[in-house]
Amino acid sequence: QKEVEQNSGPLSVPEGAIASLNCTYSDRGSQSFFWYRQYSGKSPELIMSIYSNGDKEDGRFTAQLNKASQYVSLLIRDSQPSDSATYLCAVNRNGGSQGNLIFGKGTKLSVKP
Amino acid sequence: ETGVTQTPRHLVMGMTNKKSLKCEQHLGHNAMYWYKQSAKKPLELMFVYSLEERVENNSVPSRFSPECPNSSHLFLHLHTLQPEDSALYLCASSQDYYREVTDTQYFGPGTRLTVL
Repeated sequence: QKEVEQNSGPLSVPEGAIASLNCTYSDRGSQSFFWYRQYSGKSPELIMSIYSNGDKEDGRFTAQLNKASQYVSLLIRDSQPSDSATYLCAVNRNGGSQGNLIFGKGTKLSVKP
Repeated sequence: ETGVTQTPRHLVMGMTNKKSLKCEQHLGHNAMYWYKQSAKKPLELMFVYSLEERVENNSVPSRFSPECPNSSHLFLHLHTLQPEDSALYLCASSQDYYREVTDTQYFGPGTRLTVL
């Protein structure tokens, strides 16, 4: 069974701190990795994608990928209350198109003012 | 979110009813997707259409029947559903399902389905 695992949380961090969200995946052949943010009652929106080992930075967000360890993470610097949401990790299904995604259950992040 | 619309937003149906969910995308995309999001479970990909051709069916029961009459519209026909099918059904679209690089999927607001 191909799976994507995330700690469901809630992860609570104070405003201005770094939030660290982690994800592991079972399919060693996966090549595409995504982080989606989902506010309560809303639909998911893509915030980061990463394809190569290492770090990818976009504003306050940094995605980190380690294919050998089958691990992908998302760091949010200077966390704001508006970052409070559920963060979904998604990985493409090996052998499928990069759009054929397997999602984790999500980590709920709460940023306290 | 306004690029992908879904109707109805809420639907309550009995197990013997037949209903349809509708999705429309205004982004000029070639690929459309149906997802199911249940409480306590991951978002699950159900079907993918690329240029109106079904290219993925992730072991979805036959009581769910998708239809894609053109690249802008996607339907999910429902019949003889079970209470465990109650969930949020999300539609998404993307430029090209087979792209080698990032092909962002844009989600609609979803239809909250309750099966009694």
